[in-house]
Amino acid sequence: DVKVTQSSRYLVKRTGEKVFLECVQDMDHENMFWYRQDPGLGLRLIYFSYDVKMKEKGDIPEGYSVSREKKERFSLILESASTNQTSMYLCASSGIWSEGLAGPKEGKNIQYFGAGTRLSVL
Amino acid sequence: AQSVTQLDSHVSVSEGTPVLLRCNYSSSYSPSLFWYVQHPNKGLQLLLKYTSAATLVKGINGFEAEFKKSETSFHLTKPSAHMSDAAEYFCVVRSIKAAGNKLTFGGGTRVLVKP
Repeated sequence: DVKVTQSSRYLVKRTGEKVFLECVQDMDHENMFWYRQDPGLGLRLIYFSYDVKMKEKGDIPEGYSVSREKKERFSLILESASTNQTSMYLCASSGIWSEGLAGPKEGKNIQYFGAGTRLSVL
Repeated sequence: AQSVTQLDSHVSVSEGTPVLLRCNYSSSYSPSLFWYVQHPNKGLQLLLKYTSAATLVKGINGFEAEFKKSETSFHLTKPSAHMSDAAEYFCVVRSIKAAGNKLTFGGGTRVLVKP
């Protein structure tokens, strides 16, 4: 079974603090993603990484940065937390997309999610 | 650019009655489409996916979805709702041209199942 583990389920931080959210996957996936989930908005992509030390901005990168020093670990960093960053943060991982996969290999195309970290910034 | 619209933010059904969750997508290329489910305090779990094979896709827990290109729709259905189906459901699109396996999520539909 694929396992994506987020280090904290709940975090409470103060405005201006530096916050680290950690995510680890055990499937040797190339791709890793950070989303935030807000009511009525679904999931919005913050950043993703397709290889070690590689990253690309998603749809809402402002106020965030990421780090991927090892293939299995992807960190989301809030340099100076603000109240509008109070949200649920979800990490995901997947293999490299390939067309025509079938059977057990089909799983490479699927994004697998962690349980989420609910962050409150006061 | 691709987008996904889930037409209902909330759906309420009685146990044993059919469930219909509506989803329309927009994509410049042939899309891959997914439905994910999120139970309270849990991560997202894949229900089913469409990737240009059969247009009627069967997923886990008795759910199925039909890809209709002419209507740009991918509605999710289940013939008979169970209490355990109470959750939030997300329709998701991946464009074939999307770099790095990026997905676009709909706003979600929260399903309430009444006894």
